[in-house]
This record gives sequence, C-alpha cells and structure tokens, in this order.
Amino acid sequence: DTAVSQTPKYLVTQMGNDKSIKCEQNLGHDTMYWYKQDSKKFLKIMFSYNNKELIINETVPNRFSPKSPDKAHLNLHINSLELGDSAVYFCASSQDRLLSSYNEQFFGPGTRLTVL
Amino acid sequence: RKEVEQDPGPFNVPEGATVAFNCTYSNSASQSFFWYRQDCRKEPKLLMSVYSSGNEDGRFTAQLNRASQYISLLIRDSKLSDSATYLCVVTLYNNNDMRFGAGTRLTVKP
Repeated sequence: DTAVSQTPKYLVTQMGNDKSIKCEQNLGHDTMYWYKQDSKKFLKIMFSYNNKELIINETVPNRFSPKSPDKAHLNLHINSLELGDSAVYFCASSQDRLLSSYNEQFFGPGTRLTVL
Repeated sequence: RKEVEQDPGPFNVPEGATVAFNCTYSNSASQSFFWYRQDCRKEPKLLMSVYSSGNEDGRFTAQLNRASQYISLLIRDSKLSDSATYLCVVTLYNNNDMRFGAGTRLTVKP
C-alpha cells in the first residue's frame, strides 16, 4: 500500500511537448506539495495545496499548472517543455499545513523527467 | 546567500566512525528544523526533527543553535546502511514552507 504514489515514474519527451504527472495520496492528508530536484540535487518547493486550495506558489514559470481535483490528488501539468525542465519531480503530502515534528511530510517516489 | 547551506561532502568514513554534518540557515524567522535522509534515486524521508534543547535518537544526535542559525547532525558508530545524502531542512515563519539544503553525501565503507 503506497502512501504517496506518482505516475509515471519516468518520462522522456521532446522539447515543446505538453505533459502531466499525477500524484495521489491515501493517507487522508489535507496538504499536498510539488517539489523539483535538479541535477545538483537541490530540492525546491514549487506548489502547495491545502484542501484543494493553492497556498504556496513559488516563482515557477506559468507553463507549470497544478490541479487538485480533490484533496487526495495533486497533478502537475507542464506546457511547452524546455530542456531546463529536466529534473526529478517529487509529490509530497502532510496531515495539514503546519509542518512540525508531529506533522511529517511524506514524499512520493519521484518522476524523472528528461526533456530532449 | 542560500537559504540553507550545507557542506556537500562527500564524507567517506569507515564503519564505526563518528561523523558530524553542519548546516546554516539565513532566515532568523525559521520555525522548525529537520534532518531528512535521501538514498540514491529515492525520495527524501524524515530522519529526525531538531529541537532547541538538542535531541538524540539512537546513534543520531541533532543540535540547534538559534543564535548562530546553525544545525548539526552527529552519527555515532556509522553503519554501511547509513550511506546516503543527508538534507538539512527548515520551515519558514508560517511553518508550511520547507526549505531544503542541497545535502551532504555520506559513504560508509567496510
């Protein structure tokens, strides 16, 4: 039983294409996140949703659009893919938005995106 | 200046060694502090939280110095299975926004 799952695990695509990554959590959590980990292994938050409402939107190109159809799902759609979008994208969830030692963030296995 | 800075390593130590990692953060309003562990090609997982008074979990000891904006992780009696990248993480004032360091890579050798 995977707590936070992402599909696909690997995504190889051409520049200019549009692609989506799906994320689902079965933990009953209210808050979900998308992170990007680049080639230098630097993990950076992109978006955060709490109960389907956007609460964090870092400086991310508007080619990236998150969508949360319900609180168990947070999908990431990327338009007009660029070479610099190549990275590992991690989805995560937490019980609620106040992160602490009692409210841990759980990560999905990651989606490795390669743009050619 | 990066929000969270760590020595990238790599640290190569023999089994049984004691190794310490340091981390500094730039935002004095940071609220919560954590160490995460990330194995190669895997997702990050919470190792331990860091409390103001310092805390220990088995072979792992974490310390926080708010005045110096400095966090440390000490691993005693290193095991081969400790080989991983250790990520220093802080949350900003709203306790919702996590900022990750780039990680310190540890390799424990037989």
